[in-house]
Amino acid sequence: GESVGLHLPTLSVQEGDNSIINCAYSNSASDYFIWYKQESGKGPQFIIDIRSNMDKRQGQRVTVLLNKTVKHLSLQIAATQPGDSAVYFCAENPHHNYGQNFVFGPGTRLSVLP
Amino acid sequence: EAQVTQNPRYLITVTGKKLTVTCSQNMNHEYMSWYRQDPGLGLRQIYYSMNVEVTDKGDVPEGYKVSRKEKRNFPLILESPSPNQTSLYFCATGTGYNEQFFGPGTRLTVL
Repeated sequence: GESVGLHLPTLSVQEGDNSIINCAYSNSASDYFIWYKQESGKGPQFIIDIRSNMDKRQGQRVTVLLNKTVKHLSLQIAATQPGDSAVYFCAENPHHNYGQNFVFGPGTRLSVLP
Repeated sequence: EAQVTQNPRYLITVTGKKLTVTCSQNMNHEYMSWYRQDPGLGLRQIYYSMNVEVTDKGDVPEGYKVSRKEKRNFPLILESPSPNQTSLYFCATGTGYNEQFFGPGTRLTVL
């Protein structure tokens, strides 16, 4: 079936360094992807999205890269800060006709070291 | 303020005792969903609704019911809860082919 996975379940980075969180997806028909951040005790929060007609999108300190050839998604966080410590999920939408049937990966925990 | 609210936030109950978790949004979104989150499994969709009186099963619908009588509300009903439904539940809303906004979560324990 359709699945979204992450290569690294945990990631530790030094404050100020850049972070890269990876995600593999299995459904080549997926054409919309989102990265979410979930802090302890809270619901997931939208970070950035990308549609399949793009291969890169930038936000404030974050960049998402999409490689459709190998079905790979990554989230880059520049100058990682303590407030970036959280679990990060990628999500794909494999049913573009329905709008919001997202499939989520298991998540990567990002720990920022002082 | 745009909000998705869930009640209760925490609930401990016993097997077989019917319960309802409410979800309400003030953003006039057509689309609402329920997810459960379990360690190592990420978020799995239980049910979703594309509009009033339109609901459909997600990936893990067994043991759950939903209703969408009003646009703003989307309650999750467990008619006969079992221990394997112990989980963290999230309601989410959105419009069309865009991001979802999540509620704060409801932690349910079924003894």
